[in-house]
Amino acid sequence: QKEVEQNSGPLSVPEGAIASLNCTYSDRGSQSFFWYRQYSGKSPELIMFIYSNGDKEDGRFTAQLNKASQYVSLLIRDSQPSDSATYLCVARDSSYKLIFGSGTRLLVRP
Amino acid sequence: ETGVTQTPRHLVMGMTNKKSLKCEQHLGHNAMYWYKQSAKKPLELMFVYSLEERVENNSVPSRFSPECPNSSHLFLHLHTLQPEDSALYLCASSQGQGETQYFGPGTRLLVL
Repeated sequence: QKEVEQNSGPLSVPEGAIASLNCTYSDRGSQSFFWYRQYSGKSPELIMFIYSNGDKEDGRFTAQLNKASQYVSLLIRDSQPSDSATYLCVARDSSYKLIFGSGTRLLVRP
Repeated sequence: ETGVTQTPRHLVMGMTNKKSLKCEQHLGHNAMYWYKQSAKKPLELMFVYSLEERVENNSVPSRFSPECPNSSHLFLHLHTLQPEDSALYLCASSQGQGETQYFGPGTRLLVL
């Protein structure tokens, strides 16, 4: 069974700190990865995607991918209370199916 | 309307009712999806339609019946549901299977 594993949290950080969200995936053939943010009671919205090993930056967000370790992370710099949400890590497996993690709940304390 | 829309946003139904969920995408995409999201569980993919043909059915009970009349519209017909079917039902679309999916706001379903 192909899986994406995330710590459910909550991960609590103070406002202005760096939040680090991590996930691991089981299908070594996965090539593409997505991070979605889901506010309580709302639908997921795409934050970033990453295909290549290394870092990809977009504003306050940095996605990191290490295919050898099967590890993906999302860093949020200068965290704001409005960043409080559940973050879903998603892997596109070798058959082009998206496998969703169960999400990590982030709480940014004012 | 922009993006992906879903109606109704909330639905309460009895176990003997028949209802339908509607999804419409305004993005010109050619793939559409139904997901179920229960509390504290990962998103569960239910159905995938690509170019209006059902390409995936993940062992979903027959009380859920999808319909895709064209590339912009997707329905989920519900009948004789069970209380454990209460969940958030999300529709998504993408340009090609496995590409970035864009979600609708969801229908929160309660089965009594």
